[in-house]
Amino acid sequence: GPKVLQIPSHQIIDMGQMVTLNCDPVSNHLYFYWYKQILGQQMEFLVNFYNGKVMEKSKLFKDQFSVERPDGSYFTLKIQPTALEDSAVYFCASSSRDRGTGQLYFGEGSKLTVL
Amino acid sequence: QQQVRQSPQSLTVWEGETAILNCSYENSAFDYFPWYQQFPGEGPALLISILSVSDKKEDGRFTIFFNKREKKLSLHIADSQPGDSATYFCAASGNYNQGKLIFGQGTKLSIKP
Repeated sequence: GPKVLQIPSHQIIDMGQMVTLNCDPVSNHLYFYWYKQILGQQMEFLVNFYNGKVMEKSKLFKDQFSVERPDGSYFTLKIQPTALEDSAVYFCASSSRDRGTGQLYFGEGSKLTVL
Repeated sequence: QQQVRQSPQSLTVWEGETAILNCSYENSAFDYFPWYQQFPGEGPALLISILSVSDKKEDGRFTIFFNKREKKLSLHIADSQPGDSATYFCAASGNYNQGKLIFGQGTKLSIKP
């Protein structure tokens, strides 16, 4: 089936550094999402993105977070600066529509470890 | 506040039996309920979903039973196979915004051959 690719699969960085997580969504999909999963907990919605803009963000989407998709390339999640509590697996997802039966396709996740 | 709850946290059944995974929710505005299947090291994949206008949805061996009044739903996996061993997530959202999913904590299912 359709694939969402995430790069890197795992990244270890020091607290305070910047990190960029990359997502290659399903081609022709228009809606993009980031979810965060802390070990042992449920996945939580961070943000959704459409037509070059953030549509909605949760309280987990701190000021240090930003998303963009310049010129149809990777959909990225940037964290600057990182904090210890940002350690988690970040899942990217995409869908062709946001209403009706728009199915979310998830990537395999990017595990971020902040030391 | 946990808006979507799943039980049990883990479940083991014998091959060929029916596995029953439970889910409940709090927000009566939720009307779209997908179940995702996740294998270790992979992302979650949509297994089956239901809208609140229905009380049952079948897809092969997988069936969702939905009780809107009680805000409960369950996933039944008939004739369980070892390949069904995975973590199953119940999720919910409003039909107007299906991409913003509220996930439960998952049920880890193990099928004994």
